[in-house]
Amino acid sequence: AQTVTQSQPEMSVQEAETVTLSCTYDTSESDYYLFWYKQPPSRQMILVIRQEAYKQQNATENRFSVNFQKAAKSFSLKISDSQLGDAAMYFCVENSGNTPLVFGKGTRLSVIA
Amino acid sequence: NAGVTQTPKFRILKIGQSMTLQCAQDMNHNYMYWYRQDPGMGLKLIYYSVGAGITDKGEVPNGYNVSRSTTEDFPLRLELAAPSQTSVYFCASSDFGGPDTEAFFGQGTRLTVV
Repeated sequence: AQTVTQSQPEMSVQEAETVTLSCTYDTSESDYYLFWYKQPPSRQMILVIRQEAYKQQNATENRFSVNFQKAAKSFSLKISDSQLGDAAMYFCVENSGNTPLVFGKGTRLSVIA
Repeated sequence: NAGVTQTPKFRILKIGQSMTLQCAQDMNHNYMYWYRQDPGMGLKLIYYSVGAGITDKGEVPNGYNVSRSTTEDFPLRLELAAPSQTSVYFCASSDFGGPDTEAFFGQGTRLTVV
């Protein structure tokens, strides 16, 4: 069965600093998507960034970027210039199309003013 | 474009009661999912569907049932509610392929069984 592993249950970062959240996965599919979703206290699931496995270039969205290492099956999220509004639970998610979305257990990020 | 709509947002059930959580999506997605999220935890898959008329069990299906008679709707039925089913339930939908592939989530249903 496919699994997604987030090895950091909790992380903290000073405001304006940079933090990296780790994620590894183990799909055997050749084509798949990886996502980072943010879940603030409102419970809403918000897409932060998406990466298609066939694209070698790492995805970026403003202050958010990923380090996608396909051979190592690693997909880390870097948040630059952290803001108080970035505090949330972050989930790494894998979508290979033929199987359900697979979630990691999440990393709770705290931002310290 | 409403996305994924879940109802109700909150519900309190007594032990042994039954209820149906409604989920509808208007994006013509083939894939739909039901997850539960216990406090401070990740999401666990209850049931999923890859298209109308097709459903399959996830990680934690006991105590639940689903149906998928249309592409749009994917209701989750709780029979004989138990305190262990106290959780937040999320419905999601997705499709696969293309640069816009993304999973869309409902706002969640907070269910308390007392």
